[in-house]
Amino acid sequence: GDSVTQMEGPVTLSEEAFLTINCTYTATGYPSLFWYVQYPGEGLQLLLKATKADDKGSNKGFEATYRKETTSFHLEKGSVQVSDSAVYFCALSLLSGGYNKLIFGAGTRLAVHP
Amino acid sequence: NAGVTQTPKFQVLKTGQSMTLQCAQDMNHEYMSWYRQDPGMGLRLIHYSVGAGITDQGEVPNGYNVSRSTTEDFPLRLLSAAPSQTSVYFCASSSWTGNTEAFFGQGTRLTVV
Repeated sequence: GDSVTQMEGPVTLSEEAFLTINCTYTATGYPSLFWYVQYPGEGLQLLLKATKADDKGSNKGFEATYRKETTSFHLEKGSVQVSDSAVYFCALSLLSGGYNKLIFGAGTRLAVHP
Repeated sequence: NAGVTQTPKFQVLKTGQSMTLQCAQDMNHEYMSWYRQDPGMGLRLIHYSVGAGITDQGEVPNGYNVSRSTTEDFPLRLLSAAPSQTSVYFCASSSWTGNTEAFFGQGTRLTVV
């Protein structure tokens, strides 16, 4: 079935370090791919998205490229800040059975220390 | 600019009690859904609706009921609360196509004792 697999956390980094959070997916059809971020005590909010192969989504210094050949959508940031500490969710979306099916990974907690 | 509004933010229930989690959106979205978030398991779909009067089950529907009488509102009912329903619940809405983002409420933290 359709699924999303993320690297397990927590990921602990020092400020200004490079971040990679791995995400791979399994899907029938052609999904759109998303990264959502959840700050403490809040709901999820969209960080970036890509709707077709080779698209690059970017926002707030974060980037992810839709790689169809490796079924991956890894999240990267060149220099993290303490304010990036949050839980990051990779997700895919596709139309299935007549509805918008959104499937999430388990989430990866990021902690950035000064 | 409310987006998706969930109430309450926190709730403690005794086993066997019933309650309704409220969700309202002001973006005229057709699609609304309820998820539960448990540690290490991401978000799992409970129920969803593709429009007023139309609802269907998601991945983990047992113990929950929904209805959708208006486009704006999509309440989630716990019929007889159990400790296994202790979780954080999120309501989300989106427009019809799969390429658009889902907007989430701030969540309801429910504890069943």
